[in-house]
Amino acid sequence: SQWGEENLQALSIQEGEDVTMNCSYKTYTTVVQWYRQKSGKGPAQLILIRSNEREKRSGRLRATLDTSSQSSSLSITGTLATDTAVYFCALASSGSWQLIFGSGTQLTVMP
Amino acid sequence: EAAVTQSPRNKVAVTGGKVTLSCNQTNNHNNMYWYRQDTGHGLRLIHYSYGAGSTEKGDIPDGYKASRPSQENFSLILELATPSQTSVYFCASGDAWTSSAETLYFGSGTRLTVL
Repeated sequence: SQWGEENLQALSIQEGEDVTMNCSYKTYTTVVQWYRQKSGKGPAQLILIRSNEREKRSGRLRATLDTSSQSSSLSITGTLATDTAVYFCALASSGSWQLIFGSGTQLTVMP
Repeated sequence: EAAVTQSPRNKVAVTGGKVTLSCNQTNNHNNMYWYRQDTGHGLRLIHYSYGAGSTEKGDIPDGYKASRPSQENFSLILELATPSQTSVYFCASGDAWTSSAETLYFGSGTRLTVL
């Protein structure tokens, strides 16, 4: 398996709170992607972060990547009920570009 | 806006029957993928393609075939469907030629139930 400790399976928070989801992996990679999947839809990319960036922001989202510890995180500040979704980290092993997805974290934001 | 369309959205099949899931993309992307999604397993890669006429095996290809007759279309074929293939199937397209930097654009999925 390319994954380390299991992603936290489910989180339930109140609207307005901040949240961080973590992803640890075992294979060598220099790029991690985060996808969001809303109910009844396919996943959609949120952020792509490369090893030379260490941190990347997009609106209320912040992703980090630490290749030395083989871990990545996705933080959402000021969550909204519309942030309710499953969040996946995804990566490709060295020498391959087929994306492998983690098992995902179900985030529920209660209004 | 990237567009990947899957059909049908829902399908009920009988054990031993043949099932074809279709995917069309208007992104002009070279790469296309079929994943299945099951609770607790995330998304698992079944087959993928680099372009018209090419198909490659992913991580879980057993029991599935794929066909890429054109740049736009990519089909997943279950010749002899089994109840273990009950799942939600997603098609995706991507256009990167460099490793590990490809963004995937997904369709809305096909829910397949094999009775």
